[in-house]
Amino acid sequence: AQTVTQSQPEMSVQEAETVTLSCTYDTSENNYYLFWYKQPPSRQMILVIRQEAYKQQNATENRFSVNFQKAAKSFSLKISDSQLGDTAMYFCAFMNLDFGNEKLTFGTGTRLTIIP
Amino acid sequence: EPEVTQTPSHQVTQMGQEVILRCVPISNHLYFYWYRQILGQKVEFLVSFYNNEISEKSEIFDDQFSVERPDGSNFTLKIRSTKLEDSAMYFCASKFQGSYNEQFFGPGTRLTVL
Repeated sequence: AQTVTQSQPEMSVQEAETVTLSCTYDTSENNYYLFWYKQPPSRQMILVIRQEAYKQQNATENRFSVNFQKAAKSFSLKISDSQLGDTAMYFCAFMNLDFGNEKLTFGTGTRLTIIP
Repeated sequence: EPEVTQTPSHQVTQMGQEVILRCVPISNHLYFYWYRQILGQKVEFLVSFYNNEISEKSEIFDDQFSVERPDGSNFTLKIRSTKLEDSAMYFCASKFQGSYNEQFFGPGTRLTVL
């Protein structure tokens, strides 16, 4: 079974600064996807960024980027130029490539607060 | 933009009662999921559904739970006899096909069991 660990329950950062959220995972599989989901106070789960394990290049989406270290099983999220709207819970998630039946395994989340 | 919808947004029920949580996935999606999030805890997988049958279920998804796609548009989660510990946020998600496609989540139903 896969496990996902987020060791930072809470973080805060000043607006416009850069923040990095940590995530480690454990799996014996070789083909998988990793995700970061954002959950604002509205509780809606929103996909932030996705990384395919077979890709060496780190994924980026505008101000969001990841540092994917496959050998270390580490998948951190960097938010640059943080904005007040980034305040939310952030969940790291793992998905094994079991075609059609892929379920997401989530970490416990990091509550991020952007301070004006 | 298409989205997953869930009703009701909040359901309050008495312990032992049956509840049905409803979801309308995105219309051309083929894979459907239910997840649960107990307040303050992580999101947990309950069940996946494809081609009118359960693909996988977690240990949480015991005999008290069932899922159904009764009419080709709705996707329901039924809890037959609710327990206090069933109080949680329940998220429905759907996916088109292929591993690279993301799961789109609905806004969730908050279930409160008294």
